[in-house]
Amino acid sequence: GAGVSQSPRYKVAKRGQDVALRCDPISGHVSLFWYQQALGQGPEFLTYFQNEAQLDKSGLPSDRFFAERPEGSVSTLKIQRTQQEDSAVYLCASSPPLREGGAKNIQYFGAGTRLSVL
Amino acid sequence: SQQGEEDPQALSIQEGENATMNCSYKTSINNLQWYRQNSGRGLVHLILIRSNEREKHSGRLRVTLDTSKKSSSLLITASRAADTASYFCATDAWGGKLIFGQGTELSVKP
Repeated sequence: GAGVSQSPRYKVAKRGQDVALRCDPISGHVSLFWYQQALGQGPEFLTYFQNEAQLDKSGLPSDRFFAERPEGSVSTLKIQRTQQEDSAVYLCASSPPLREGGAKNIQYFGAGTRLSVL
Repeated sequence: SQQGEEDPQALSIQEGENATMNCSYKTSINNLQWYRQNSGRGLVHLILIRSNEREKHSGRLRVTLDTSKKSSSLLITASRAADTASYFCATDAWGGKLIFGQGTELSVKP
């Protein structure tokens, strides 16, 4: 595709509800990242995949957050039993393979999913 | 926990003026990047400067990096109304996650 695609763009959930957020990265991009952006703040790292392997999940705030990328392409971020503090924009980014001498780790972002937990 | 600090938090200028934003970080880095975010949109990469570089230019953008002070600045020359957006610095330590600053909200008035 032309860019990173995220769906849905907006999600309203009742507290306690489970949600699933989808990310379609740019074709050929092996690395995929999830970030959480609170209102008026910079994005904060959640988790990182290289192909289907989840290499870093140190940013996931609790065990209610789970991410997967089973075939190394589309990724889903799942939040179980949503809480009001989960309200934020969830951004997905992808990046091409790192190459020697070239630009390193430039990330291409989707428009995000705005999650509101009532 | 964000590692970057940016100042100013907000900047309002007239079209044609220059805008300067500053960023400080805490740990060693491989490179530092600047991104722009328009309201309600994703981030767009602007420019990358490696840890062994001191200055880089791209069009109307000029980035400096001082690794001894762990700081960087982004200068936008001859600003336009279309430059109105939030600007974030992001540090890359090992080619994985980016650590973002809190951002500078730039408003360019026509």
